[in-house]
Order: sequence, then C-alpha cells, then structure tokens
Amino acid sequence: ELKVEQNPLFLSMQEGKNYTIYCNYSTTSDRLYWYRQDPGKSLESLFVLLSNGAVKQEGRLMASLDTKARLSTLHITAAVHDLSATYFCASLGRAGGTSYGKLTFGQGTILTVHP
Amino acid sequence: GAVVSQHPSRVICKSGTSVKIECRSLDFQATTMFWYRQFPKQSLMLMATSNEGSKATYEQGVEKDKFLINHASLTLSTLTVTSAHPEDSSFYICSASLAGAQETQYFGPGTRLLVL
Repeated sequence: ELKVEQNPLFLSMQEGKNYTIYCNYSTTSDRLYWYRQDPGKSLESLFVLLSNGAVKQEGRLMASLDTKARLSTLHITAAVHDLSATYFCASLGRAGGTSYGKLTFGQGTILTVHP
Repeated sequence: GAVVSQHPSRVICKSGTSVKIECRSLDFQATTMFWYRQFPKQSLMLMATSNEGSKATYEQGVEKDKFLINHASLTLSTLTVTSAHPEDSSFYICSASLAGAQETQYFGPGTRLLVL
C-alpha cells in the first residue's frame, strides 16, 4: 500500500525566510501533486510533477521531484503572511496496466508565517 | 473550466437522521467521482470511488451500508450518510475526473457535516 509522509507537520516561519517541506512516498508513483488548503476550504491545486527531475515554480513556491529517492520537495522563498495555510502532497499510484490507482495524501504541513 | 460543486456547503442534523450530499461537475462529464472525508486537522482519506452507472468501490474500513453512493449520471454523484451519528461529523470533499483522464481530479468546495 502506498504511504506518503510529509515533514515537518508544523512549520512556523518568519516573513522573508526560506524553508522546504519534504514529501516521501513508499512505492513507485506516476505523479506527485501539491495542494494548498485554507481553513474551512477545499483543496487548491498548486503543482503536478510527472517525471524524475521535474521542477515547477509559481511565485514564491517551487516544487521538485526525485523519483529515484521517492522524494518531492516544496520550497518556499521569502515567505509572506499570505502563504499561511496547510500544504498537502499526494501521490497517484498505478492500479495496473494503464489504469490509475487512488490518490494518497500526506498528513499535511501547517504553515504559519509571522512578521 | 472543470468546476465541481457540492451541495449543501454546511449541514447540521440530529443523530439518527440521514443526510444527502450532492457533487456535480458543472462543465464537464465526469465518469469517475471520488469521495473523501477529512477530520479536523487531519489529512484527506479516500472513502470510495464511483464510476457512472456502476457500483461504488469502497476503501477498507468504510461501511457501504452507512455511506451510500450513487453516480447515476455523468455530472452527478451523491453521498448519503445514513443514520448519522456525532462521529460522522466531518468535512466531506468530492472530486471528479474527466473520461480517460483519471490522473487529474478536480475538487469540490466541500461539505461540512455536524451531527448533534
């Protein structure tokens, strides 16, 4: 069974600082996703990473994927208060052949950015 | 494009009653819809996968008779929580995939259920 683990689970950052959230998954995965969730809201899609070495950037967030290490990272550059939210990674497994399995989520990282 | 809606957004009910939550794909046909449950400060857990016109596939530990899922059309799936109890209180989120593109899920806004 696919397991996805994030760390840290809680992250308190000062504005302007950099930090990285790590996401490890246990078995071969086709795709790795990053989502943002604000309190009381549903998920907002941030990135989808498809292949080894993939790197995507949007504003102050950059995500990367290392399929050999089964590791994805979400790097935050010069954090601002608006980035405060819960961030989830999720891995999509294979069900066999060309069929996709289910999306398995990490525990989530609660990010708080303070002045 | 690819908008998914849920109704209601919030519902409060008495213990023992049943509650129906609707998930609709507004601008695309969704052959597959997924139902997730999220307890406070926890991750999303997949409850079941439903394919249009066929029975839902439930994850281990999810009671089929308690969480009834119907996916009668390509744009609508419903989740009925039968004989709800306080421990069923949670945030229920659905997602939908386009035909032939199950690798991309579009998430609904969620439904918060409170059972008194």
